[in-house]
Amino acid sequence: DIQMTQSPASLSASVGETVTITCRASENIYSYLAWYQQKQGKSPQLLVYNAKTLAEGVPSRFSGSGSGTQFSLKINSLQPEDFGSYYCQHHYGTPYTFGGGTKLEIK
Amino acid sequence: EVKLEESGGGLVQPGGSMKLSCVASGFTFSNYWMNWVRQSPEKGLEWVAEIRLKSNNYATHYAESVKGRFTISRDDSKSSVYLQMNNLRAEDTGIYYCTRGYDYFAYWGQGTLVTVPA
Repeated sequence: DIQMTQSPASLSASVGETVTITCRASENIYSYLAWYQQKQGKSPQLLVYNAKTLAEGVPSRFSGSGSGTQFSLKINSLQPEDFGSYYCQHHYGTPYTFGGGTKLEIK
Repeated sequence: EVKLEESGGGLVQPGGSMKLSCVASGFTFSNYWMNWVRQSPEKGLEWVAEIRLKSNNYATHYAESVKGRFTISRDDSKSSVYLQMNNLRAEDTGIYYCTRGYDYFAYWGQGTLVTVPA
């Protein structure tokens, strides 16, 4: 199975800051990478798929990049509603696997 | 509006069985692959099973951890997807989400909690 490794596991930042979360795949997944946001007590929500395509309704301050085995999610000008947990997931065939998550907290 | 509503979770003893259901609305159900994804504090998010379309002969795929114990099925006439879970183990404990998507998950239900005590 393809292993997905996210870093950092946790991150503290202030409103207005820019943050980057990284995800590494154990083998080449081309651009088959999705990112999700999850808020406490809620279901995950799709942010990005195919490494860089924003899902419908996702603000443009979010951006995804990368290919092969190295990917990143960048959030420009953090807003209060951006705090929560973020997960990457490869979608290069089954079994789909998720990263361990990054918890983004308010500084 | 796309809606996915799971039901059927609860407490079940090790070795027991449980069937989860998910009713979909707001889209043409028969046109989409459906998946079950679970989440626990110990394992995080874990994909469980996928069922494809009638045109794919309703092909199914499973995580190795549930293969042979879980069965995913769908009833397009009822816009529903199911997860039959047999021989349940403590490590199957978690919130089970019904999701819509071809290989990434664009829509998620609110989840249903399955608890299997150790």
